[in-house]
Amino acid sequence: GAVVSQHPSRVICKSGTSVKIECRSLDFQATTMFWYRQFPKQSLMLMATSNEGSKATYEQGVEKDKFLINHASLTLSTLTVTSAHPEDSSFYICSARTGTDNYEQYFGPGTRLTVT
Amino acid sequence: AQSVTQLDSQVPVFEEAPVELRCNYSSSVSVYLFWYVQYPNQGLQLLLKYLSGSTLVKSINGFEAEFNKSQTSFHLRKPSVHISDTAEYFCAVRFSGGYNKLIFGAGTRLAVHP
Repeated sequence: GAVVSQHPSRVICKSGTSVKIECRSLDFQATTMFWYRQFPKQSLMLMATSNEGSKATYEQGVEKDKFLINHASLTLSTLTVTSAHPEDSSFYICSARTGTDNYEQYFGPGTRLTVT
Repeated sequence: AQSVTQLDSQVPVFEEAPVELRCNYSSSVSVYLFWYVQYPNQGLQLLLKYLSGSTLVKSINGFEAEFNKSQTSFHLRKPSVHISDTAEYFCAVRFSGGYNKLIFGAGTRLAVHP
């Protein structure tokens, strides 16, 4: 149980285009979802937290107009990287938390974004 | 400021040898502690967690970690490692009160050699 999926697993896009990454909780309802960014050989940096039906809360230094997060349902959150640039290339990982267990986050497998 | 420190970026070890991965945090409030493992090009998997109660917590695959409040540490240990334990290990802390987010350490690369 408690499986989180991400799609796509890898994406290559050209500079200036936008790309959407989906995060789904497959067997539970995720009241809260988190989006992280991980640079090579570095730790995870929290980008934003989203609650279903509410606007996402972004961490300091994260551009909300560039990284659009939508948490439209209890099983789906999307991250859209708008007008992508090579410096946006990274590994993006989502995680989800249920409404019953307030302490554990379940992580998706990640999406490798490469902007050329 | 609240922070998590993993002192070792890489730990090489031979198969069947014991290993300790260190994690320290700084906080003036109560904490909840986690260890996650990440295999190449994959997401994170929870290895074990400390929420309350016994300070020694164990995973199903032989890892254990001990919460030491006085030393603000949560070191991960395994008495005998396997090749398959080769991965990146992240210590994470959730600080009580205020914002319920996980703060991750920089990670420790455990490389098990035959």
